[in-house]
Amino acid sequence: QKEVEQDPGPLSVPEGAIVSLNCTYSNSAFQYFMWYRQYSRKGPELLMYTYSSGNKEDGRFTAQVDKSSKYISLFIRDSQPSDSATYLCAMNEGKLIFGQGTELSVKP
Amino acid sequence: EAQVTQNPRYLITVTGKKLTVTCSQNMNHEYMSWYRQDPGLGLRQIYYSMNVEVTDKGDVPEGYKVSRKEKRNFPLILESPSPNQTSLYFCASKTHGMNTEAFFGQGTRLTVV
Repeated sequence: QKEVEQDPGPLSVPEGAIVSLNCTYSNSAFQYFMWYRQYSRKGPELLMYTYSSGNKEDGRFTAQVDKSSKYISLFIRDSQPSDSATYLCAMNEGKLIFGQGTELSVKP
Repeated sequence: EAQVTQNPRYLITVTGKKLTVTCSQNMNHEYMSWYRQDPGLGLRQIYYSMNVEVTDKGDVPEGYKVSRKEKRNFPLILESPSPNQTSLYFCASKTHGMNTEAFFGQGTRLTVV
């Protein structure tokens, strides 16, 4: 079993939709959870990180961690075409462990 | 400007011809890592280094070598490339700590024919 699982998509939504991106993980010791965004032909860049359980909000983005279910989510409100990218969840336990990434396309 | 620099950005080579992809960072980061990215498989870690002279295998180390003689540089070596190593490669660096951000290079697209 992979340590981090993420549905690769692709996911296509209309502009203004609420997007939900999810990852599951197997190691209950993980405490630090990150979301990276990768635009086409670019390296990934950190979008948000959270520690342990709970929610964290940053503008239109909300990261949520449910440690009891080993499940993390990224919600994007009022999605924009500029949000079109691949979103990768990551666990940071000294070394970074990434999910497969979900390719998101927001259509105008 | 803080950055991770990879070279070359694009490379086409033939099977068996040794090659090196360089990675350099100017942020004095202890941790450096190489990943390959393939469609449907995401970012898979090849090797990582926690500090100078300390390297460890990631998930897919076969066919690759690395070295960390200096803090800023972490080259990836393919001694005898094969077509299944055709991929997009990323180098990343960060400081130690659980909530630290990793900075990625722009990527190297390698094609082995």
